[in-house]
Amino acid sequence: KAGVTQTPRYLIKTRGQQVTLSCSPISGHRSVSWYQQTPGQGLQFLFEYFSETQRNKGNFPGRFSGRQFSNSRSEMNVSTLELGDSALYLCASSLSGTAYEQYFGPGTRLTVT
Amino acid sequence: LAKTTQPISMDSYEGQEVNITCSHNNIATNDYITWYQQFPSQGPRFIIQGYKTKVTNEVASLFIPADRKSSTLSLPRVSLSDTAVYYCLVGPRLNFGNEKLTFGTGTRLTIIP
Repeated sequence: KAGVTQTPRYLIKTRGQQVTLSCSPISGHRSVSWYQQTPGQGLQFLFEYFSETQRNKGNFPGRFSGRQFSNSRSEMNVSTLELGDSALYLCASSLSGTAYEQYFGPGTRLTVT
Repeated sequence: LAKTTQPISMDSYEGQEVNITCSHNNIATNDYITWYQQFPSQGPRFIIQGYKTKVTNEVASLFIPADRKSSTLSLPRVSLSDTAVYYCLVGPRLNFGNEKLTFGTGTRLTIIP
């Protein structure tokens, strides 16, 4: 079974721009979660989508948003990029209702200059 | 979500058995214990999950005492490729929308040749 895929793997943007990251979950998984990982803050939960609905949200500003499509693929958008948004963005999928057996993708490394 | 405490870092030599302990004093009755492994610039990888006593798979063993206030991840005969950060998480196995998967600082395990 194919794993979680994320595109692009690497991205360089300048301050003020916006960016969209994509995640394709494991086939059959309906829950997709997004995380931000930085050396200083570690792994931080952004939000979770289940059946196209945002089910849970972490403590991030409104510049961070996401959506999920009917095929469970998900996108995450960050508007008005700041230098501090430079991070590894990870997507994880899981079966319906399974919080703690999540399968992570390789991540998208975003660098904001 | 039960708070967990684990050592910041550990060193071990190749070929030895490594035990990483996680404390979770306020674990709830319906909480499970899950361990993830993360290599640099990659997403965390699910290793093992358990509720009580002992669970073993091809990668590791998980020991949980009767009071469930702590757990120990055991890695047999480690190799250099086991150098990674190991995260312990505690929470309900089924997520109905009110759980934010929270990773602590994890334990940075370094295997010495």
